[in-house]
Amino acid sequence: KQEVTQIPAALSVPEGENLVLNCSFTDSAIYNLQWFRQDPGKGLTSLLLIQSSQREQTSGRLNASLDKSSGRSTLYIAASQPGDSATYLCAVGDTGRRALTFGSGTRLQVQP
Amino acid sequence: KAGVTQTPRYLIKTRGQQVTLSCSPISGHRSVSWYQQTPGQGLQFLFEYFSETQRNKGNFPGRFSGRQFSNSRSEMNVSTLELGDSALYLCASSGGLAGGGKNEQFFGPGTRLTVL
Repeated sequence: KQEVTQIPAALSVPEGENLVLNCSFTDSAIYNLQWFRQDPGKGLTSLLLIQSSQREQTSGRLNASLDKSSGRSTLYIAASQPGDSATYLCAVGDTGRRALTFGSGTRLQVQP
Repeated sequence: KAGVTQTPRYLIKTRGQQVTLSCSPISGHRSVSWYQQTPGQGLQFLFEYFSETQRNKGNFPGRFSGRQFSNSRSEMNVSTLELGDSALYLCASSGGLAGGGKNEQFFGPGTRLTVL
């Protein structure tokens, strides 16, 4: 059974800092990995999708990497802004079930 | 292109009642998945439908069921509600092969269900 862990559970940084969120998973037989953002009481916004054959994806100030063999992914946020404050979720799509297994998220607060 | 829509956004029910939630996927998407989000268990997969067929099911009791219509809209039903069913129910759609085979999931805003 796939298990996804996100570290740290919470993070508070001053505006302008670069930061890294970590995600690890136990079964390397994945189809893809997706990073989401969730604002309080809201749905999930897709940030980046990495296919199992890819090593990284970039969108604006965000960069996500994937190391399937070690079961790890990182989300790098450059020059953080108060608007980046949210919970960031890592989700792994497995090859068979077409279902996402989610981590418990990292709650990020960026202080102005 | 319109995103995933879910109705209603909020529901209050009492124990023992049943409830039906609705999800309209992104136009052209044929896969619809449902997830339950609670503070204690996080996000958990309920089931996935593709072309009106349930392809996968998570580890939930039979009180949770769903269906998909020919226009890809999906409904989820929970019967004999329990207090523990209080949660945010999220629907996601993906394009499958139509989306380049990437299976990227796009989520709706969710339905907040409160069971009293």
